[in-house]
Amino acid sequence: DGGITQSPKYLFRKEGQNVTLSCEQNLNHDAMYWYRQDPGQGLRLIYYSQIVNDFQKGDIAEGYSVSREKKESFPLTVTSAQKNPTAFYLCASSIDGRVGSNQPQHFGDGTRLSIL
Amino acid sequence: GENVEQHPSTLSVQEGDSAVIKCTYSDSASNYFPWYKQELGKGPQLIIDIRSNVGEKKDQRIAVTLNKTAKHFSLHITETQPEDSAVYFCAASEDRVNEKLTFGTGTRLTIIP
Repeated sequence: DGGITQSPKYLFRKEGQNVTLSCEQNLNHDAMYWYRQDPGQGLRLIYYSQIVNDFQKGDIAEGYSVSREKKESFPLTVTSAQKNPTAFYLCASSIDGRVGSNQPQHFGDGTRLSIL
Repeated sequence: GENVEQHPSTLSVQEGDSAVIKCTYSDSASNYFPWYKQELGKGPQLIIDIRSNVGEKKDQRIAVTLNKTAKHFSLHITETQPEDSAVYFCAASEDRVNEKLTFGTGTRLTIIP
């Protein structure tokens, strides 16, 4: 089955620690995205990548970092600089993220990060 | 940048009745409008989308309408069923630089049996 796999489903972090959230897709999609979802709010874009070895900051990139070394993988690191990291993190992909392509974004089932 | 407002934030309808969720957007350059359904503990699922060269699109019990002049679009669900209960999000895409989606704040739809 093709899809987007996020792991782990639940993650706990101590103050001052960095943690990395995994996102893997086997849809052969070029573009991948990371969103943050807080209760009662819409999704906010953290980072996105239109192609391998390239990524751009979204609206709330501070305190986060990403890499895109392989087409199928787009891990997100939540650093200790992120002051309010508790949230539901969602990864998405689309077949083509170029300007004007208007391709649907498909989401994984998320990782819930909590601070101990 | 784009701003998307979504109403209502909660909606309860009797099973079999219709439900309507409305969104407005601010950027007249936006040209792609998807709708997502999110169940508890899951990621959003795309249920229907519309592009700005189309005024209406239907898929079985779900329809979306777009009014570019007024900059608003709506989701219509007919003959609602208990499994339609979920949170629904609208979004708009501005494609000047990238395919960035701006989301509304969501509508919690409850279908009353």
